[in-house]
Amino acid sequence: QQQVKQSPQSLIVQKGGISIINCAYENTAFDYFPWYQQFPGKGPALLIAIRPDVSEKKEGRFTISFNKSAKQFSLHIMDSQPGDSATYFCAAGRGSGGYQKVTFGIGTKLQVIP
Amino acid sequence: DTGVSQDPRHKITKRGQNVTFRCDPISEHNRLYWYRQTLGQGPEFLTYFQNEAQLEKSRLLSDRFSAERPKGSFSTLEIQRTEQGDSAMYLCASSSQLGTQYFGPGTRLLVL
Repeated sequence: QQQVKQSPQSLIVQKGGISIINCAYENTAFDYFPWYQQFPGKGPALLIAIRPDVSEKKEGRFTISFNKSAKQFSLHIMDSQPGDSATYFCAAGRGSGGYQKVTFGIGTKLQVIP
Repeated sequence: DTGVSQDPRHKITKRGQNVTFRCDPISEHNRLYWYRQTLGQGPEFLTYFQNEAQLEKSRLLSDRFSAERPKGSFSTLEIQRTEQGDSAMYLCASSSQLGTQYFGPGTRLLVL
């Protein structure tokens, strides 16, 4: 059972364009929604994260939009650059006291072409 | 470099052999996680430590897998009697009480 559904699995965007990755979750107990970026041969690195009491969070060129009622959230990468080419994972976590059990989506392989 | 480190980075073994991986978390982090990532998939949670106590284990962690964190610092993950299906990237992450998990570079295991 896939608790976090992510789409698309691959994405090709022109340099300067907007990359959009969508995720949906089932478990309403999730209260933490991070996005991770992973380059080949490396571990995932936290990009940006949001809590369900906020509908949008922006950090530089990266924005998370969160729709609690629809149980959906998305990552927008503005002005996409070739250096953004990587695999992006959405995730959903639940826990307390600093413990977060995080469930990852399947990943989106982004390629930004010049 | 003060990030999470893992050793070895790559391991090739024959089916039936035992392997052990090591993870050194960020020094002030008391929480440590192990994940497994197969090709084309996201990381899957295996187990969680707070200090030296193993507080949660996934059903993915069969009895051939054992993890320890003896002094609340580094951790080891051992796989006994490896099978070809164990081939994957094994990732370690650590966090402070704030909860954000920082991942290491992973150990890529290939079982022949």
